[in-house]
Amino acid sequence: DAGVIQSPRHEVTEMGQEVTLRCKLISGHNSLFWYRQTMMRGLELLIYFNNNVPIDDSGMPEDRFSAKMPNASFSTLKIQPSEPRDSAVYFCASSLSRSTDTQYFGPGTRLTVL
Amino acid sequence: AQSVTQLGSHVSVSEGALVLLRCNYSSSVPPYLFWYVQYPNQGLQLLLKYTTGATLVKGINGFEAEFKKSETSFHLTKPSAHMSDAAEYFCAVSPLNTDKLIFGTGTRLQVFP
Repeated sequence: DAGVIQSPRHEVTEMGQEVTLRCKLISGHNSLFWYRQTMMRGLELLIYFNNNVPIDDSGMPEDRFSAKMPNASFSTLKIQPSEPRDSAVYFCASSLSRSTDTQYFGPGTRLTVL
Repeated sequence: AQSVTQLGSHVSVSEGALVLLRCNYSSSVPPYLFWYVQYPNQGLQLLLKYTTGATLVKGINGFEAEFKKSETSFHLTKPSAHMSDAAEYFCAVSPLNTDKLIFGTGTRLQVFP
């Protein structure tokens, strides 16, 4: 199993541009989590899905952020327009949909907004 | 709301010394408890977890943690540190009836030769 796959691994963009981060879940997993990690705020849960349905998006910073699961194995996190304060490492993780199950993290996307 | 407190953002030990990383949670009902490790430029990976049963949980790389309900703690230990243990360690709780993980702020472990 290839594990959780994220792309791109690094993204540098200018303020105001649209950014799309991608995540492929582990086969058979049906929960998907998006996190953001910064020095100042640590690891924050942005949103999570179960069976393609958003369950909790209370961590999404503002309307500039949106996340989708067009199918059971793939998710996108979009930032439009991007701002320098969005610079962070974004992780996605997947798991089986039980609270005792391990979340498997992808390698992350390091986003820099200039 | 549930929360996790990790005492000490940085811990330094000598190679071969005991590692103790502290984690306390706030909850009237014991949640599920996890320790994750993050090596530089990588995602997090599970070290160990407590769900039910035996309160002393053994994980990978020689780590273990003990759930103590009376102290609302889930401290992580390893008898003898190795240079390769240098990483950031996160304690997390999963409240019952939810798939969410609530992470602590992390503890960076340094191991000196």
